[in-house]
Amino acid sequence: QVQMQESGPGLVKPSETLSLTCAVSFSAISSPHYWGWIRQTPGRGLEWIASVYHTGTTFYNPSFESRVTISIDTSKRHFSLNLTSVTASDTALYYCARQRSEWYNDAYDLWGQGTMVIVSS
Amino acid sequence: EIVLTQSPGTLSLSPGERATLSCRASQSVIGNYLAWYQQKPGQAPRLLIYGASNRATGIPDRFSGSGSGADFTLTISRLEPEDFAVYFCQQYDGSPWTFGQGTKVAIK
Repeated sequence: QVQMQESGPGLVKPSETLSLTCAVSFSAISSPHYWGWIRQTPGRGLEWIASVYHTGTTFYNPSFESRVTISIDTSKRHFSLNLTSVTASDTALYYCARQRSEWYNDAYDLWGQGTMVIVSS
Repeated sequence: EIVLTQSPGTLSLSPGERATLSCRASQSVIGNYLAWYQQKPGQAPRLLIYGASNRATGIPDRFSGSGSGADFTLTISRLEPEDFAVYFCQQYDGSPWTFGQGTKVAIK
């Protein structure tokens, strides 16, 4: 059973960079799937941020593209998200998730438990 | 960006009843690239339906999805106690992928 686990700082200061990592069990991260980050807030609901293929191909939500970088390290069995210049509006529960297939557009069939990030000085 | 509007906001029903949830897109979702998720408090979303009508692995057959174009429906034929939760639709036809705001299925 493939499992995913997010890790992050919990608290980030405004204007700083948020860095999150998602650890994927076994060698599943090398399988032909897109892996992504999605966040959730009470006000804006669920928002897709970015996705990365096991080969390193990336795909971004235009709303975040100027501030975000997603990357994958199959040797370490994880993928990561960096979000620069954070503000209070980036306070959210961040999930990592796996898309069902090798297609860049597919539903998310596996999710981590989520990591809460608060942006505050 | 494709905006998804779910209705109703809250559906109050009793166990054993039928639930019908709606998801309307601001433009046609080509290829029926529409998914439904269930989320319980403190948990991540769980994929129920993909491709508008295909049940994900391990999902009971009381859950069914239908629709095409811009109008989609999730039906729970007979509500079980564990089905009371929030349900989201998501489109993955046009980037950025977007989610509806959710429908809460509450116990009456």
